[in-house]
Amino acid sequence: DSGVTQTPKHLITATGQRVTLRCSPRSGDLSVYWYQQSLDQGLQFLIQYYNGEERAKGNILERFSAQQFPDLHSELNLSSLELGDSALYFCASSVLTGPGELFFGEGSRLTVL
Amino acid sequence: KNEVEQSPQNLTAQEGEFITINCSYSVGISALHWLQQHPGGGIVSLFMLSSGKKKHGRLIATINIQEKHSSLHITASHPRDSAVYICAVRTGTASKLTFGTGTRLQVTL
Repeated sequence: DSGVTQTPKHLITATGQRVTLRCSPRSGDLSVYWYQQSLDQGLQFLIQYYNGEERAKGNILERFSAQQFPDLHSELNLSSLELGDSALYFCASSVLTGPGELFFGEGSRLTVL
Repeated sequence: KNEVEQSPQNLTAQEGEFITINCSYSVGISALHWLQQHPGGGIVSLFMLSSGKKKHGRLIATINIQEKHSSLHITASHPRDSAVYICAVRTGTASKLTFGTGTRLQVTL
């Protein structure tokens, strides 16, 4: 058990809908990272928050947004969903903002029909 | 060409065999991560390396910064080692990880 909790584990929705994925980092970790793993693109970095502030952005679509709350949990919002958004979405946390060990959640599997 | 290349893509081994998975990268890095992803999908961080060698149980990871190459070794492999092993690199103080495409390992009895 990594100590990182993601909900929901599975989510099935329709095109055009909006979903929210939630991540609770390990106790004491200030950084939260979001990653997308799709069959054709592999694992890709989406975005990082550190202590409530956006710290780095990767290949995140404009239809996607994220935030980190004062209690350090984070939410990834995906809107106007398309079939190609079907993927595993992982959250990871670390103590610091720079290079350091990462602890991954179990992932949220999103299926868009 | 991908910034991070792994080989082999697929690997089948018999229980007890010594296994090596390779990772080559083309950019200067501050750290390299080895990750394990089981069929259920969850990802576990195995090692984070910036130089030299690390060992944890039957797993050994090495990195050669000059040659831009890292290897993950599994000694006395076991069916429970069956998983996808992913190499990922971090450049500078950047938060972004760039991932390899993974090596799918199956260990049979």
